[in-house]
Amino acid sequence: QKEVEQNSGPLSVPEGAIASLNCTYSDRGSQSFFWYRQYSGKSPELIMFIYSNGDKEDGRFTAQLNKASQYVSLLIRDSQPSDSATYLCAVRGSSNTGKLIFGQGTTLQVKP
Amino acid sequence: KAGVTQTPRYLIKTRGQQVTLSCSPISGHRSVSWYQQTPGQGLQFLFEYFSETQRNKGNFPGRFSGRQFSNSRSEMNVSTLELGDSALYLCASSFQGGGTEAFFGQGTRLTVV
Repeated sequence: QKEVEQNSGPLSVPEGAIASLNCTYSDRGSQSFFWYRQYSGKSPELIMFIYSNGDKEDGRFTAQLNKASQYVSLLIRDSQPSDSATYLCAVRGSSNTGKLIFGQGTTLQVKP
Repeated sequence: KAGVTQTPRYLIKTRGQQVTLSCSPISGHRSVSWYQQTPGQGLQFLFEYFSETQRNKGNFPGRFSGRQFSNSRSEMNVSTLELGDSALYLCASSFQGGGTEAFFGQGTRLTVV
């Protein structure tokens, strides 16, 4: 079992729709959770982080965390073609150091 | 506030050579982590430095090493390069590592021929 798992996609949604990206993790002691967006040929850009169970909203983005189910998700409302990218889920484990464990990423395609 | 700066952006090296990559973190950040990104393996953790000490290490051979200076700048060295070392090398800067957000530099694209 991989430490952090994501569906590689591609996930295709029409412009204006809600895109839902999911991630599961294996270390039950994991402390913090991050979503990065990576455009082709670029470095990952931090778009959301969440540390507590529940929802966290920032503009069109909502991160959801359920530690009991070891599940974290990212919702993108009113998806735009510029949101087309690979979305990486990253988990900081129970060691509470700087180490992040990444999923393989989900490719999102937003069609005009 | 300046972001994370990695140099050089691109490198082409020959098998057997060694290479040194540099990372300057965001001002005030004391944790620098290094990652290797390849199409097949994704983003993999190499090591983390905090206050000039290696605090964590990933599952990479000893050819991969690093260090951190008193100003928090970090260098990563790869010796005896192999073709499989071709990758995007990314460093991430955070205030103290655990419990804080990490921001990536633009990366160094290493090609080994």
